[in-house]
Formats: sequence, C-alpha cells, structure tokens
Amino acid sequence: NAGVTQTPKFRVLKTGQSMTLLCAQDMNHEYMYWYRQDPGMGLRLIHYSVGEGTTAKGEVPDGYNVSRLKKQNFLLGLESAAPSQTSVYFCASSYVGANEKLFFGSGTQLSVL
Amino acid sequence: GNSVTQMEGPVTLSEEAFLTINCTYTATGYPSLFWYVQYPGEGLQLLLKATKADDKGSNKGFEATYRKETTSFHLEKGSVQVSDSAVYFCALSNSGAGSYQLTFGKGTKLSVIP
Repeated sequence: NAGVTQTPKFRVLKTGQSMTLLCAQDMNHEYMYWYRQDPGMGLRLIHYSVGEGTTAKGEVPDGYNVSRLKKQNFLLGLESAAPSQTSVYFCASSYVGANEKLFFGSGTQLSVL
Repeated sequence: GNSVTQMEGPVTLSEEAFLTINCTYTATGYPSLFWYVQYPGEGLQLLLKATKADDKGSNKGFEATYRKETTSFHLEKGSVQVSDSAVYFCALSNSGAGSYQLTFGKGTKLSVIP
C-alpha cells in the first residue's frame, strides 16, 4: 500500500550543486507530475508526463529537467541549484489525468544555500 | 487563462463551529472543480470534487456546490473538529483533451481549537 513515494524527504544543497529527486508509484498510473509549493503561492506545476518515455513542461520548468524511463518512476533533476529553488517538492500521479484524483507523495523539503 | 482565488487565512475556529472557505474561479469552458486537503507534514489528498454545474461534492462532512453563475465552489462544514486542522486548496481542471494541469489556489490554513 505504498502509493507515491518520494526520496529524499529532506536535502540541503549549496548553490551550484546538482541533485535528483526520485518519485515512485505502484498504482500503474499513466500520468505523473512534479509540483513545487511555496508559501503564499499554492502549488505550481514544474513538469509532467503522460506516459513512459514522455515528458512536458508545466508552469515553472526553468532550471529543472525530468525523465520517465520507467512507467513507475519520475525523476526531477536540478543541474545547478539556486536559492530560488528552495521549496517543498511534491510528486503526484493519476490514472487518467488531472480531471480525476491525483495521488500525492509526502514531499521533499529542499533548501539551497 | 485559468485562475483560482480562495479566501486568505489563517482561519481559526472553535470546535463545532460552522466553516466556510470561499473559492472563486476563472476558466474557459467547463472545468472540473476540486478541494484538496493537506494535513501537517503530508502531501495533498483529494477531499471532494464536482464535474458540472450544480453538482455537489461531499466527503467527511464537507460539502461544496459547483455554481457556474457565480463561478464559485465554496467549501462548507457544519461542525468542525480539531482533526480538521489543515490547509485546504481549491483547484480546477479544464475538462476534455489536454487536461493535464490542475490550477491551485494559494491555500487556506484552518486551525480548530478545542
């Protein structure tokens, strides 16, 4: 009954460092999403994927890259972290798109110093 | 474009008080509307949804009615409990092909005190 699992849960980076956030879902969902949550801003979509091997840009894609090599995994990469990328990152998945229920992971808190 | 506006918080209520969190939206076409809830330290969970005008979504004592004439989807609960303390997000998704994105409001933090 894992649902959507994100790793790591917390991370501190220095400006310019790189890292990858991993999202894994065990519900055989086609759609996967990466959101960032900032105080007073709600959630904003970074990138999404509608199936294995496909990715697309969301509302705030700059500074991030993603890959969906396997259906169950969706990776979010920061090549050169900046303080503006300090945020809480949420992965989500759904079976048939945003019109139906999204299942969210518990989040990754990232601080870039 | 799409946008969601919800009342600013934080909202503090006593247990058993009546709750209303206002939400209005701007969208083209006929969007689906959602309320998601985020408990402390957790990801968001779908609370309820409505997919067409005059539909009422309900769950765990919460209700919201899709009002197309006022472009609103206000969340209500008759008697809140301490366990309802959380952040509530109103969201919309345009129906039809290409509906990959949920547009979220900024969230309203609710604190319920005994």
